[in-house]
Amino acid sequence: EAGVAQSPRYKIIEKRQSVAFWCNPISGHATLYWYQQILGQGPKLLIQFQNNGVVDDSQLPKDRFSAERLKGVDSTLKIQPAKLEDSAVYLCASSFSLNGEQFFGPGTRLTVL
Amino acid sequence: GENVEQHPSTLSVQEGDSAVIKCTYSDSASNYFPWYKQELGKRPQLIIDIRSNVGEKKDQRIAVTLNKTAKHFSLHITETQPEDSAVYFCAARKDQAGTALIFGKGTTLSVSS
Repeated sequence: EAGVAQSPRYKIIEKRQSVAFWCNPISGHATLYWYQQILGQGPKLLIQFQNNGVVDDSQLPKDRFSAERLKGVDSTLKIQPAKLEDSAVYLCASSFSLNGEQFFGPGTRLTVL
Repeated sequence: GENVEQHPSTLSVQEGDSAVIKCTYSDSASNYFPWYKQELGKRPQLIIDIRSNVGEKKDQRIAVTLNKTAKHFSLHITETQPEDSAVYFCAARKDQAGTALIFGKGTTLSVSS
């Protein structure tokens, strides 16, 4: 079974620039999660989708972060404009159902200079 | 909301020794407690989980114990091996649809041979 795919794996940008990350979940997984993992900390949930609907985006900084999952499969997370404190690994995860085991992708390491 | 504290932040053991990592949580309604292992530069992977209807669960050299009264749970690794070296994260959430996993800050385990 193929795992969760993410791209790009690494991204370096200047502050105030925009960046987008892409995630392809495991086939058949209805629930998709985006996490932010700052160095030395555990993952923090940014947004959770069930199919193409948002279940929880309470921790998403909506003034600069946005995410969509238009067709209920792939998802894109965007940051515009980026700040230095956005430097982190952005992990995508998926699960078969809302309470199912979460499988993580390899992450995108973002560096904001 | 839920808050998860994890200790110690680093743990060094000799090969063959046991390792114990402890987590406490704040929300008494939480009843699902997974543990993830994250090797350097890799994705977090679920290694064991426990729900509040049991007090202990074992899988070969790994065990998790849960004390709901005290609101803490622990990961026990016996007969440690160098390949156990990684960052371990505990997490907690209510076992209801759409509830976010809250992660601890992680424990870096180093097993020396």
